[in-house]
Amino acid sequence: LAKTTQPISMDSYEGQEVNITCSHNNIATNDYITWYQQFPSQGPRFIIQGYKTKVTNEVASLFIPADRKSSTLSLPRVSLSDTAVYYCLVGAWNTGGFKTIFGAGTRLFVKA
Amino acid sequence: NAGVTQTPKFQVLKTGQSMTLQCAQDMNHNSMYWYRQDPGMGLRLIYYSASEGTTDKGEVPNGYNVSRLNKREFSLRLESAAPSQTSVYFCASRGQGGNEQFFGPGTRLTVL
Repeated sequence: LAKTTQPISMDSYEGQEVNITCSHNNIATNDYITWYQQFPSQGPRFIIQGYKTKVTNEVASLFIPADRKSSTLSLPRVSLSDTAVYYCLVGAWNTGGFKTIFGAGTRLFVKA
Repeated sequence: NAGVTQTPKFQVLKTGQSMTLQCAQDMNHNSMYWYRQDPGMGLRLIYYSASEGTTDKGEVPNGYNVSRLNKREFSLRLESAAPSQTSVYFCASRGQGGNEQFFGPGTRLTVL
């Protein structure tokens, strides 16, 4: 299973764009990259998933370079409510289920 | 739709006691998962069930057993609780071919 490395914490201000980078040097060919958000006392919530290049949805963008050894979650114009822990996961969906590892995540603190 | 529900929300056990954590989903998902999250840590996979009738070990299965009762329900049992099992337990489910796991609200377990 590919191990991921993320910054432990980041600070930002409301209205700024936040980029959180995740390293996954041992990513396998079949692995996807998935990001989750977790608020205190809640379960994680899916944000975005990608395999290569760029993926965008209504809340975030995910940038994946050609070698796929890293990825960057981009949150446009953050607000106070984006203060949370963000997890980068790498894993493959297979017939036995989705095996992956949650790291410690990145604690994002958005200030007014 | 309630999504993923877990009972109980809180539980305090004495060392050596047993208990079962219940999880149910109403999204007709095939795969279900049990994770534990220790303070300041990411989630670790205990067991998962890729489909009704199958279960498999995750990263930290020792001390736990699971039952996939039917497609909706996936229970986690602690036969003889230990203080090291003090944690927050999350159940999750995923649909066939789906990209994301949907998490329940968690059960906060304390073993004295």
